[in-house]
Amino acid sequence: NAGVTQTPKFQVLKTGQSMTLQCAQDMNHEYMSWYRQDPGMGLRLIHYSVGAGITDQGEVPNGYNVSRSTTEDFPLRLLSAAPSQTSVYFCASRAPGVADTQYFGPGTRLTVL
Amino acid sequence: GENVEQHPSTLSVQEGDSAVIKCTYSDSASNYFPWYKQELGKRPQLIIDIRSNVGEKKDQRIAVTLNKTAKHFSLHITETQPEDSAVYFCAASKGGGSYIPTFGRGTSLIVHP
Repeated sequence: NAGVTQTPKFQVLKTGQSMTLQCAQDMNHEYMSWYRQDPGMGLRLIHYSVGAGITDQGEVPNGYNVSRSTTEDFPLRLLSAAPSQTSVYFCASRAPGVADTQYFGPGTRLTVL
Repeated sequence: GENVEQHPSTLSVQEGDSAVIKCTYSDSASNYFPWYKQELGKRPQLIIDIRSNVGEKKDQRIAVTLNKTAKHFSLHITETQPEDSAVYFCAASKGGGSYIPTFGRGTSLIVHP
């Protein structure tokens, strides 16, 4: 199993550009999440999904869109990038049991100029 | 929603010393408390977890304790080694259909040889 994969690993955008961060998992996990990590701020939840076709907002959803058309994929879209979205983005997945381990992807480092 | 406070933000110890990281949570319904270790440039990975029906759990040099009455839990690392240097995150969540953990802001542990 590849686990949770993310592409790209690094990305530089100009303000106003759009892009999609890709996330995929091959563990048949129902739950998937997107986090951003900024220095001193920990891991903040952007959006999450509890199954195909179901998404919800987390703590910091503004400026980001998600969709979940399949169990495997959970892309994160930045419609109009802003410098405040410069961050490291982690995708995560887990099975629905209360104590099931959450697995993180390797992360995408995004810089918005 | 849940709020998780984590202290200290930075912890510096000598090799062989013990290290303790403390977290408090706000939602008394939370019943699952994982700890993640994130090495520099890597993804967070689960190192130990505890459920609310258990007061303490050990795994070799690491242990976690939980005090549900006071709503706090702690990570203990004994005989620290340089490879323990990393950022550690605590998290809290509720069981049920849509477990989404809330993370603390992280503790940067530095173990000096």
